[in-house]
Amino acid sequence: DTAVSQTPKYLVTQMGNDKSIKCEQNLGHDTMYWYKQDSKKFLKIMFSYNNKELIINETVPNRFSPKSPDKAHLNLHINSLELGDSAVYFCASSQASFEAFFGQGTRLTVV
Amino acid sequence: KQEVTQIPAALSVPEGENLVLNCSFTDSAIYNLQWFRQDPGKGLTSLLLIQSSQREQTSGRLNASLDKSSGRSTLYIAASQPGDSATYLCAYKFYGQNFVFGPGTRLSVLP
Repeated sequence: DTAVSQTPKYLVTQMGNDKSIKCEQNLGHDTMYWYKQDSKKFLKIMFSYNNKELIINETVPNRFSPKSPDKAHLNLHINSLELGDSAVYFCASSQASFEAFFGQGTRLTVV
Repeated sequence: KQEVTQIPAALSVPEGENLVLNCSFTDSAIYNLQWFRQDPGKGLTSLLLIQSSQREQTSGRLNASLDKSSGRSTLYIAASQPGDSATYLCAYKFYGQNFVFGPGTRLSVLP
């Protein structure tokens, strides 16, 4: 079974659209994350969610919003997509000081 | 500001060589350190995790060390193989914070 799964794997959409990326973990972890990997392959934290506490990276536009229906899911919703949002988005989870596990990524292309 | 750097940015070696990848950080209050591997177009695969109380971890041909006082970690790869070709990322988790990634070292092992 996949530990951290994201859907979709690829997403191509037009500017101005609203889209969501889903993430689920079956590890029982209490913290989930969203990371963005830009064209230079640098991974940067967007959000972390732990026991209903949301920590937001201040550089993330408010068009991005995480939604957690339960402990095992942390979805990413993006409003009014822009060309600069094109990137690979990774979901991850961890438990306390133990290792983090990453999903396979969602490649978002805004045209 | 928490920063992570990795040296070298890229490395190309013949098969069979022993390698050392370097990672350094600016904040000594780390929680743990994790090394990942990323293949082109793929997600992140966890290689090794070192807790702040540990000095090294080993898995097969891989050995990772941690020196908090100098703010450095190294990943040692013994007897490199073409299948080791990938980008290697280090990430620190600081107390109460998220994983902060370095820019990665792109490794190419030539047959």
